[in-house]
Amino acid sequence: ILNVEQSPQSLHVQEGDSTNFTCSFPSSNFYALHWYRWETAKSPEALFVMTLNGDEKKKGRISATLNTKEGYSYLYIKGSQPEDSATYLCAENNNAGNMLTFGGGTRLMVKP
Amino acid sequence: EAQVTQNPRYLITVTGKKLTVTCSQNMNHEYMSWYRQDPGLGLRQIYYSMNVEVTDKGDVPEGYKVSRKEKRNFPLILESPSPNQTSLYFCASSFRHRNNEQFFGPGTRLTVL
Repeated sequence: ILNVEQSPQSLHVQEGDSTNFTCSFPSSNFYALHWYRWETAKSPEALFVMTLNGDEKKKGRISATLNTKEGYSYLYIKGSQPEDSATYLCAENNNAGNMLTFGGGTRLMVKP
Repeated sequence: EAQVTQNPRYLITVTGKKLTVTCSQNMNHEYMSWYRQDPGLGLRQIYYSMNVEVTDKGDVPEGYKVSRKEKRNFPLILESPSPNQTSLYFCASSFRHRNNEQFFGPGTRLTVL
């Protein structure tokens, strides 16, 4: 059972659609929340690391928000493009140790 | 170029034959970590290291050993590999731990027959 959960598991959208997915994590002992983008046959690459409740971060068409009190983060992609097709991973650091716990990922497929 | 390298990239071996997967980073990062990725289970942390000579178990350390004798290297050792260790392995590093982004190596696909 993963303590960090992501939904949906997979998502198909049309080019130009905006989309979002969710990462849920235990809110007790929270320290940091990471988002990574993982393209097929490549390595995961960092998108954002967020630590403060209410944090919002943006990189191009991708943005993320963080709610540490209720234990969730949203990742938004505006105007999806085929090159956005990838698995998006979130991961939590907590105060209990120095481990990074990953969710199962959301696989996004953008059709041209 | 700043990077994390792993070798080998692909390996097919047999049960019980000791193997080592090397990991090296050139970014002077303190924190290094090993993960395995299995379908439906996400990335799971095997071992991590906060700095030279400091290593700790992750979620799934059984059957693995690591060492951190130098800051740049963090090899993963399978003393007696078994088929349930067939997986995709990633090494990663970060400047420090916790709230620093991880830089991942290219991955090592291991098959144990």
